[in-house]
Amino acid sequence: AQTIHQWPVAEIKAVGSPLSLGCTIKGKSSPNLYWYWQATGGTLQQLFYSITVGQVESVVQLNLSASRPKDDQFILSTEKLLLSHSGFYLCAWSLGGRGEQYFGPGTRLTVL
Amino acid sequence: TQTVSQSDAHVTVFEGDSVELRCNYSYGGSIYLSWYIQHHGRGLQFLLKYYSGNPVVQGVNGFEAEFSKSDSSFHLRKASVHWSDSAVYFCAARMPNYNVLYFGSGTKLTVEP
Repeated sequence: AQTIHQWPVAEIKAVGSPLSLGCTIKGKSSPNLYWYWQATGGTLQQLFYSITVGQVESVVQLNLSASRPKDDQFILSTEKLLLSHSGFYLCAWSLGGRGEQYFGPGTRLTVL
Repeated sequence: TQTVSQSDAHVTVFEGDSVELRCNYSYGGSIYLSWYIQHHGRGLQFLLKYYSGNPVVQGVNGFEAEFSKSDSSFHLRKASVHWSDSAVYFCAARMPNYNVLYFGSGTKLTVEP
């Protein structure tokens, strides 16, 4: 069975500090991968997607970057956090572009 | 561009009641529509989707949704809700050949005993 794991579960970071969030999918080969951001009590905003290793497309500019170093791994990062980066970050995968998406448990980020 | 709107921020019903959660979209071409559920503080779970064909689609846990091109809608329904259905429900839309999923603002469903 396929599983999706996100790390860390939660982070509290200072403004201006770097950030790295991770996502791993096991049990599926060559999935499409996605990063989403959700403000507290808000809707989801897609940040990035990746169809294959080494290729990442940006959807919105939020001073964040993403990379896909392996087929089953998706990394979200920034060198300098802003207060506005606080929220809930969700990773998801799908098989192809038409398929339903399966979400990870999320990472809660608080920037102080 | 396309938008997805969910007009009801909150819906409260009693256990055993039927419920309809509304979703409207604005896009003139072919569109893929789906519904997701999010329990408090957790990731989203897929409920159902519509691409083409029969406009009424069945999902998990007794949910169904009906697509209407004339109304630009994809409303979610359940005939008899359970307290465990309490959650936030998101409608989402995507254009064919685009890997971007647009979510509505969500509807918080509260099921009272």
